[in-house]
Amino acid sequence: AQKITQTQPGMFVQEKEAVTLDCTYDTSDPSYGLFWYKQPSSGEMIFLIYQGSYDQQNATEGRYSLNFQKARKSANLVISASQLGDSAMYFCAMRGYNAGNNRKLIWGLGTSLAVNP
Amino acid sequence: GAGVSQSPSNKVTEKGKDVELRCDPISGHTALYWYRQSLGQGLEFLIYFQGNSAPDKSGLPSDRFSAERTGGSVSTLTIQRTQQEDSAVYLCASSPPDGYNSPLHFGNGTRLTVT
Repeated sequence: AQKITQTQPGMFVQEKEAVTLDCTYDTSDPSYGLFWYKQPSSGEMIFLIYQGSYDQQNATEGRYSLNFQKARKSANLVISASQLGDSAMYFCAMRGYNAGNNRKLIWGLGTSLAVNP
Repeated sequence: GAGVSQSPSNKVTEKGKDVELRCDPISGHTALYWYRQSLGQGLEFLIYFQGNSAPDKSGLPSDRFSAERTGGSVSTLTIQRTQQEDSAVYLCASSPPDGYNSPLHFGNGTRLTVT
């Protein structure tokens, strides 16, 4: 069965410091993609970064990078130089691909990040 | 370009009434999802449309909930005989021809309050 686990319900970080949000996954699909989304208090869901299971390098998008460890089935989000506007809920999600079928996206329960000034 | 559009943005209804929530996906996106999010909670999957395939309805919580997608574009989520526990934000998302590397693009949601 496919599953996403985010073990940190809440995290705190000091402004300008880096923070890592954990995500582990379970899948038997040969190919899959991992996604991170941000949801600020306004409620919109904002796509941040994507990592494919066969990508050779870890994904990076500006201050966001993904620490992808395939053998450990983890895809942790690293936010560098935290800003007050980074305070939000962060969701990890995964979609697999198997035998010609794309599966629907599955989601973790999220991590609430608070950036302190 | 235009993003995913949901209407209404807010809906207050009395218990027992029916409501319809609308989602207009990004043009050309063949995959469409409905999710429900209660206050402070994660995303609860409701239903998934992919092109002309039969929808995945496995997340619908009861037979009071139904959804359709006309012409492969606009989708309507209908909740009949609403209950107070139906109060939540209903999010719609779409993605391009649904490869496993396609991110979902979300609308701003409909906040449903059942009084």
